[in-house]
Amino acid sequence: AQSVAQPEDQVNVAEGNPLTVKCTYSVSGNPYLFWYVQYPNRGLQFLLKYITGDNLVKGSYGFEAEFNKSQTSFHLKKPSALVSDSALYFCAVRGPSGYSTLTFGKGTMLLVS
Amino acid sequence: DAMVIQNPRYQVTQFGKPVTLSCSQTLNHNVMYWYQQKSSQAPKLLFHYYDKDFNNEADTPDNFQSRRPNTSFCFLDIRSPGLGDAAMYLCATSRDGGALDTQYFGPGTRLTVL
Repeated sequence: AQSVAQPEDQVNVAEGNPLTVKCTYSVSGNPYLFWYVQYPNRGLQFLLKYITGDNLVKGSYGFEAEFNKSQTSFHLKKPSALVSDSALYFCAVRGPSGYSTLTFGKGTMLLVS
Repeated sequence: DAMVIQNPRYQVTQFGKPVTLSCSQTLNHNVMYWYQQKSSQAPKLLFHYYDKDFNNEADTPDNFQSRRPNTSFCFLDIRSPGLGDAAMYLCATSRDGGALDTQYFGPGTRLTVL
């Protein structure tokens, strides 16, 4: 079965500094990986996904993520954090077979001050 | 703009009193999902519809039911809400449910059980 680990419950970053939110995954075969962001009392907003191709994926709001197959990681990054980036971030993985469900990590709270 | 809409945004019900949450979409997507999300936890998939085909997760309690009368609408029925059912309920849609698909979420309905 597929799984996702987000090892940090919370990440604190100063505004203007680069940020990284970590995610590792476990899945049979090639993974399909997603990042979502959730603001308080709101639904999840899609940020970006990795399907195949370039290991660096660019997404919404200046976020990007780096896929590393050997380390089974898909860390979310942004070169310069904004206070408005403060939110709950979820990494998710979908298995390689068509028509499979999405498995979410437990989430990482990002606080930018 | 194409979107996923959930009504109401906030719902208060009494212990044991049936409640229905609504989701509609203008994306014309084939698949609709219902998730339960408890405070600061990962969303947990309850069930999903691929078109009219209903797919229940193995650990979804019988207390939770769903209806999809047409492509645009999907309902979550909680037959006898308990205190443990208080949560945010998220509806999501995707085009075809394939591995390359992206799920798009509505804003959620926060359910309070008194």
